[in-house]
Amino acid sequence: DADVTQTPRNRITKTGKRIMLECSQTKGHDRMYWYRQDPGLGLRLIYYSFDVKDINKGEISDGYSVSRQAQAKFSLSLESAIPNQTALYFCATSDFPGTQQFFGPGTRLTVL
Amino acid sequence: DAKTTQPPSMDCAEGRAANLPCNHSTISGNEYVYWYRQIHSQGPQYIIHGLKNNETNEMASLIITEDRKSSTLILPHATLRDTAVYYCIVRVNAGNNRKLIWGLGTSLAVNP
Repeated sequence: DADVTQTPRNRITKTGKRIMLECSQTKGHDRMYWYRQDPGLGLRLIYYSFDVKDINKGEISDGYSVSRQAQAKFSLSLESAIPNQTALYFCATSDFPGTQQFFGPGTRLTVL
Repeated sequence: DAKTTQPPSMDCAEGRAANLPCNHSTISGNEYVYWYRQIHSQGPQYIIHGLKNNETNEMASLIITEDRKSSTLILPHATLRDTAVYYCIVRVNAGNNRKLIWGLGTSLAVNP
């Protein structure tokens, strides 16, 4: 079984809808991350969490929110989706001090 | 903004060494160089990282110049499965946080 799982894997939605992307991990890591990737570009950090009580904004957090429900679960929400949030979203985990990040398979989100 | 520059694409013959260059002329003394790769649109996969010294693991070797302004990732015997986008990344330190600053990557095509 995969160590980092993301659901859904693909999602098409309409402008203005609320969307939640979920991430679960079985690696026992404290640190979790959400990234987005646009075509032909590298990854950009949206939010990250170092433990259940710790949430931090990344470089592009506007329009997004997160929830760390447990050590193993980290959800990303788009309160009111807009077309320029169409992208590939990745969840990642790492232990302390975060030498290596382990990525999930990604969620492809399309906002019409 | 990305702290690395890489050629957008490279070719390599199967069985030969693939040498992927990266420039990071503005890197600070305590910032590490990381390499990840991404096959198709899958989640990125960690390859190797280093600070000053050359590093080798089961996947690749990392050669960092003495002035640390550039590095080279070496895949000693490239296979078709090594076809991927390779990202050279600087891990920056910001207080207690360490962030990966992703660039655009090099698309490596390994040819039969």
